[in-house]
Amino acid sequence: QVQLVESGGGVVQPGRSLRLSCAASGFTFSSYGMHWVRQAPGKGLEWVAIISSNGGDKHYADSVKGRFTISRDNTNNTLYLQMNSLRGEDTAVYYCAKDNSYGGWYLDYWGQGTLVTVSS
Amino acid sequence: DIQMTQSPSTLSASVGDRVTITCRASLTISSWLAWYQQKPGKAPKLLIYKASSLESGVPSRFSGSGSGTEFTLTISSLQPDDFATYYCQQYNNYPFTFGQGTKVEIK
Repeated sequence: QVQLVESGGGVVQPGRSLRLSCAASGFTFSSYGMHWVRQAPGKGLEWVAIISSNGGDKHYADSVKGRFTISRDNTNNTLYLQMNSLRGEDTAVYYCAKDNSYGGWYLDYWGQGTLVTVSS
Repeated sequence: DIQMTQSPSTLSASVGDRVTITCRASLTISSWLAWYQQKPGKAPKLLIYKASSLESGVPSRFSGSGSGTEFTLTISSLQPDDFATYYCQQYNNYPFTFGQGTKVEIK
């Protein structure tokens, strides 16, 4: 069965960096686009970034463009989110999600999320 | 960016009620719309994709319709497990965007 397990969250000071990981299993990781979606405490969902199956195409939300970088390691079935210049408004649960790719970029499987808290 | 607007923001309903949630896009998105259900402390779960296609394993009381800029999610007979927050998402244009959510509460 498909499993997505995020890690790397924690408390970080404003301006610092953090890297999130998402370990994937149960499907052919290298065949699907992958996404990061976040949810600030008590708020709605915000789409963050997408990376294509081979890593060659990436897109970002305006709120993170230039600060966050999505990447993937298809050998080790792992998705990453490098977050630099963190701000208080980046505090959120970060979910990784798999898209259907062949049928469209809707998110058919999600991880359980990892909490990032940006605070001094 | 395409703005997605859901209505209502909160909905109070009883078990057995028919419930309809609306999602409007600021630009046409064809049928590239998904609906998700989220319960407190849990990850979202896919219900509907391509506006009206039911995800495998999702009960048939859930249905979606619409195209272009106006979409609806309908629950034909609300069950206790359906009290949750529902989000629409467009995946026609980057950046992909979600609606603000609709919380379905017990009346």
